[in-house]
Amino acid sequence: AQTVTQSQPEMSVQEAETVTLSCTYDTSESDYYLFWYKQPPSRQMILVIRQEAYKQQNATENRFSVNFQKAAKSFSLKISDSQLGDAAMYFCASNFGNEKLTFGTGTRLTIIP
Amino acid sequence: DAGVIQSPRHEVTEMGQEVTLRCKPISGHNSLFWYRQTMMRGLELLIYFNNNVPIDDSGMPEDRFSAKMPNASFSTLKIQPSEPRDSAVYFCASSPNRALYGYTFGSGTRLTVV
Repeated sequence: AQTVTQSQPEMSVQEAETVTLSCTYDTSESDYYLFWYKQPPSRQMILVIRQEAYKQQNATENRFSVNFQKAAKSFSLKISDSQLGDAAMYFCASNFGNEKLTFGTGTRLTIIP
Repeated sequence: DAGVIQSPRHEVTEMGQEVTLRCKPISGHNSLFWYRQTMMRGLELLIYFNNNVPIDDSGMPEDRFSAKMPNASFSTLKIQPSEPRDSAVYFCASSPNRALYGYTFGSGTRLTVV
Protein backbone atom coordinates (compact mmCIF):
# COMPACT_ATOMS: atom_id res chain seq x y z
CA ALA A 1 0.00 0.00 0.00
CA GLN A 2 1.12 3.55 -0.72
CA THR A 3 0.95 5.62 2.41
CA VAL A 4 2.02 8.99 3.78
CA THR A 5 2.69 9.26 7.51
CA GLN A 6 2.99 12.37 9.63
CA SER A 7 3.89 11.30 13.14
CA GLN A 8 3.67 14.72 14.79
CA PRO A 9 0.02 15.73 15.34
CA GLU A 10 1.11 19.06 16.84
CA MET A 11 4.24 21.19 16.89
CA SER A 12 5.02 24.60 18.28
CA VAL A 13 7.85 27.04 17.67
CA GLN A 14 8.89 30.42 18.94
CA GLU A 15 8.46 33.24 16.48
CA ALA A 16 11.64 33.80 14.41
CA GLU A 17 12.96 30.33 15.23
CA THR A 18 13.26 27.31 12.93
CA VAL A 19 10.99 24.27 12.98
CA THR A 20 11.03 20.97 11.10
CA LEU A 21 7.93 18.94 10.31
CA SER A 22 8.39 15.24 9.60
CA CYS A 23 6.90 13.10 6.87
CA THR A 24 7.60 9.55 5.79
CA TYR A 25 6.01 7.57 3.00
CA ASP A 26 5.91 4.13 1.54
CA THR A 27 5.86 3.27 -2.14
CA SER A 28 7.51 0.92 -4.62
CA GLU A 29 7.43 3.59 -7.34
CA SER A 30 10.65 5.29 -8.38
CA ASP A 31 9.19 8.32 -10.15
CA TYR A 32 6.83 10.46 -8.12
CA TYR A 33 6.32 13.91 -6.68
CA LEU A 34 6.06 15.04 -3.08
CA PHE A 35 4.27 18.10 -1.76
CA TRP A 36 3.66 20.10 1.37
CA TYR A 37 0.35 21.91 1.69
CA LYS A 38 -0.59 24.53 4.27
CA GLN A 39 -4.14 24.89 5.59
CA PRO A 40 -4.62 28.04 7.70
CA PRO A 41 -7.81 28.66 9.70
CA SER A 42 -9.43 30.01 6.54
CA ARG A 43 -9.34 26.30 5.44
CA GLN A 44 -7.87 27.14 2.04
CA MET A 45 -5.34 24.48 0.96
CA ILE A 46 -2.18 26.22 -0.23
CA LEU A 47 0.71 24.51 -1.99
CA VAL A 48 3.90 25.37 -0.13
CA ILE A 49 6.61 23.38 -1.88
CA ARG A 50 7.09 20.56 -4.36
CA GLN A 51 9.88 17.99 -4.80
CA GLU A 52 10.53 15.69 -7.74
CA ALA A 53 11.77 12.32 -6.57
CA TYR A 54 14.33 11.97 -9.34
CA LYS A 55 16.05 15.19 -8.30
CA GLN A 56 18.57 14.91 -5.52
CA GLN A 57 18.65 18.63 -4.86
CA ASN A 58 16.31 19.69 -2.09
CA ALA A 59 13.60 22.16 -3.08
CA THR A 60 13.47 25.59 -1.46
CA GLU A 61 10.88 28.37 -1.53
CA ASN A 62 11.97 31.42 0.42
CA ARG A 63 11.82 30.45 4.12
CA PHE A 64 10.58 26.94 3.32
CA SER A 65 12.90 24.08 2.41
CA VAL A 66 12.74 20.32 2.40
CA ASN A 67 15.10 17.54 3.41
CA PHE A 68 14.38 14.76 0.93
CA GLN A 69 15.94 11.38 1.69
CA LYS A 70 14.73 9.02 -1.04
CA ALA A 71 16.31 5.87 0.32
CA ALA A 72 14.82 6.51 3.74
CA LYS A 73 11.51 7.62 2.18
CA SER A 74 11.58 10.75 4.25
CA PHE A 75 10.43 14.24 3.25
CA SER A 76 10.63 16.80 6.03
CA LEU A 77 9.71 20.49 5.82
CA LYS A 78 11.88 23.14 7.44
CA ILE A 79 10.43 26.57 8.14
CA SER A 80 13.04 29.20 8.95
CA ASP A 81 12.39 32.51 10.70
CA SER A 82 8.89 31.40 11.71
CA GLN A 83 6.20 34.03 11.46
CA LEU A 84 2.76 34.28 13.04
CA GLY A 85 1.23 33.76 9.61
CA ASP A 86 2.84 30.33 9.40
CA ALA A 87 0.39 28.98 11.99
CA ALA A 88 -1.66 26.34 10.19
CA MET A 89 -2.16 22.63 9.55
CA TYR A 90 0.55 21.26 7.29
CA PHE A 91 -0.09 18.25 5.09
CA CYS A 92 2.48 16.11 3.34
CA ALA A 93 1.31 14.44 0.11
CA SER A 94 2.50 12.44 -2.86
CA ASN A 95 1.07 11.45 -6.22
CA PHE A 96 3.06 8.18 -6.20
CA GLY A 97 3.40 8.45 -9.97
CA ASN A 98 -0.27 8.71 -10.79
CA GLU A 99 -3.14 11.19 -10.92
CA LYS A 100 -4.18 11.04 -7.29
CA LEU A 101 -2.64 12.76 -4.31
CA THR A 102 -2.41 10.78 -1.08
CA PHE A 103 -2.25 12.97 2.02
CA GLY A 104 -0.88 12.46 5.49
CA THR A 105 -2.96 13.21 8.57
CA GLY A 106 -1.43 16.62 9.09
CA THR A 107 0.63 18.49 11.70
CA ARG A 108 -0.84 21.49 13.48
CA LEU A 109 1.82 24.17 13.82
CA THR A 110 1.50 26.85 16.51
CA ILE A 111 3.69 29.93 16.50
CA ILE A 112 4.48 31.34 19.94
CA PRO A 113 4.89 35.14 19.93
CA ASP B 1 -7.39 33.25 -13.32
CA ALA B 2 -9.90 33.19 -10.46
CA GLY B 3 -8.74 29.79 -9.27
CA VAL B 4 -11.01 26.87 -8.48
CA ILE B 5 -14.44 28.19 -7.54
CA GLN B 6 -16.74 26.28 -5.23
CA SER B 7 -20.25 27.08 -4.14
CA PRO B 8 -21.82 27.39 -1.71
CA ARG B 9 -19.19 28.16 0.92
CA HIS B 10 -21.49 26.95 3.68
CA GLU B 11 -24.53 24.72 3.52
CA VAL B 12 -26.82 23.73 6.36
CA THR B 13 -29.53 21.24 5.53
CA GLU B 14 -31.88 18.86 7.24
CA MET B 15 -31.39 15.13 7.22
CA GLY B 16 -33.03 13.55 4.20
CA GLN B 17 -32.69 16.58 1.96
CA GLU B 18 -30.77 16.63 -1.29
CA VAL B 19 -27.54 18.62 -1.34
CA THR B 20 -25.66 19.74 -4.44
CA LEU B 21 -22.14 21.12 -4.29
CA ARG B 22 -20.69 22.92 -7.29
CA CYS B 23 -17.23 23.40 -8.68
CA LYS B 24 -15.66 25.34 -11.52
CA PRO B 25 -12.07 24.20 -12.20
CA ILE B 26 -9.27 26.32 -13.58
CA SER B 27 -9.52 26.70 -17.32
CA GLY B 28 -7.15 24.32 -19.08
CA HIS B 29 -6.90 21.88 -16.18
CA ASN B 30 -7.96 18.47 -17.41
CA SER B 31 -8.26 16.68 -14.06
CA LEU B 32 -10.80 17.41 -11.35
CA PHE B 33 -10.95 15.91 -7.89
CA TRP B 34 -13.50 15.86 -5.08
CA TYR B 35 -12.16 15.41 -1.53
CA ARG B 36 -13.90 15.23 1.83
CA GLN B 37 -12.18 16.41 5.01
CA THR B 38 -13.23 15.37 8.52
CA MET B 39 -11.45 15.35 11.84
CA MET B 40 -11.73 11.59 12.11
CA ARG B 41 -10.72 10.57 8.59
CA GLY B 42 -8.65 13.47 7.32
CA LEU B 43 -8.64 14.15 3.58
CA GLU B 44 -10.33 11.44 1.56
CA LEU B 45 -10.49 11.32 -2.24
CA LEU B 46 -14.06 10.68 -3.28
CA ILE B 47 -13.83 10.72 -7.07
CA TYR B 48 -11.77 12.18 -9.85
CA PHE B 49 -12.35 13.02 -13.49
CA ASN B 50 -9.95 13.25 -16.39
CA ASN B 51 -11.16 15.11 -19.47
CA ASN B 52 -14.68 15.09 -17.98
CA VAL B 53 -14.72 11.28 -17.64
CA PRO B 54 -14.95 9.69 -14.17
CA ILE B 55 -11.78 7.65 -13.70
CA ASP B 56 -11.93 6.46 -10.11
CA ASP B 57 -14.98 6.65 -7.87
CA SER B 58 -13.84 4.04 -5.38
CA GLY B 59 -13.83 6.63 -2.62
CA MET B 60 -17.50 7.49 -2.95
CA PRO B 61 -18.88 6.22 0.34
CA GLU B 62 -22.36 5.12 -0.71
CA ASP B 63 -24.88 5.19 -3.51
CA ARG B 64 -26.27 8.34 -1.91
CA PHE B 65 -23.28 10.16 -3.37
CA SER B 66 -23.02 10.94 -7.06
CA ALA B 67 -20.82 13.25 -9.11
CA LYS B 68 -21.01 14.58 -12.63
CA MET B 69 -18.85 16.64 -14.93
CA PRO B 70 -20.99 17.61 -17.93
CA ASN B 71 -18.28 19.82 -19.40
CA ALA B 72 -14.73 21.01 -18.78
CA SER B 73 -15.81 23.98 -16.70
CA PHE B 74 -18.33 22.53 -14.26
CA SER B 75 -18.78 19.64 -11.85
CA THR B 76 -21.31 18.75 -9.18
CA LEU B 77 -21.28 16.48 -6.16
CA LYS B 78 -24.74 15.44 -5.02
CA ILE B 79 -25.82 13.75 -1.81
CA GLN B 80 -29.32 12.34 -1.75
CA PRO B 81 -30.61 11.79 0.88
CA SER B 82 -28.19 13.56 3.20
CA GLU B 83 -27.36 12.23 6.68
CA PRO B 84 -25.69 13.87 9.72
CA ARG B 85 -22.54 11.76 9.17
CA ASP B 86 -22.08 13.50 5.82
CA SER B 87 -21.20 16.70 7.67
CA ALA B 88 -17.70 17.67 6.54
CA VAL B 89 -15.76 20.10 4.40
CA TYR B 90 -15.89 19.13 0.74
CA PHE B 91 -13.05 20.32 -1.48
CA CYS B 92 -12.84 20.45 -5.21
CA ALA B 93 -9.38 20.62 -6.81
CA SER B 94 -8.05 20.69 -10.34
CA SER B 95 -4.74 19.83 -11.94
CA PRO B 96 -3.25 20.30 -15.42
CA ASN B 97 -1.21 17.15 -15.76
CA ARG B 98 -1.26 14.02 -13.61
CA ALA B 99 -0.82 15.98 -10.42
CA LEU B 100 2.82 16.64 -11.35
CA TYR B 101 2.46 20.16 -10.04
CA GLY B 102 0.04 19.30 -7.28
CA TYR B 103 -3.53 20.44 -7.19
CA THR B 104 -5.10 23.83 -6.94
CA PHE B 105 -7.87 23.61 -4.37
CA GLY B 106 -11.08 25.54 -4.09
CA SER B 107 -11.99 27.14 -0.79
CA GLY B 108 -14.25 24.24 0.15
CA THR B 109 -17.89 23.86 1.13
CA ARG B 110 -18.65 23.28 4.79
CA LEU B 111 -21.69 21.02 4.89
CA THR B 112 -23.70 20.60 8.06
CA VAL B 113 -26.55 18.11 8.08
CA VAL B 114 -28.85 18.44 11.11
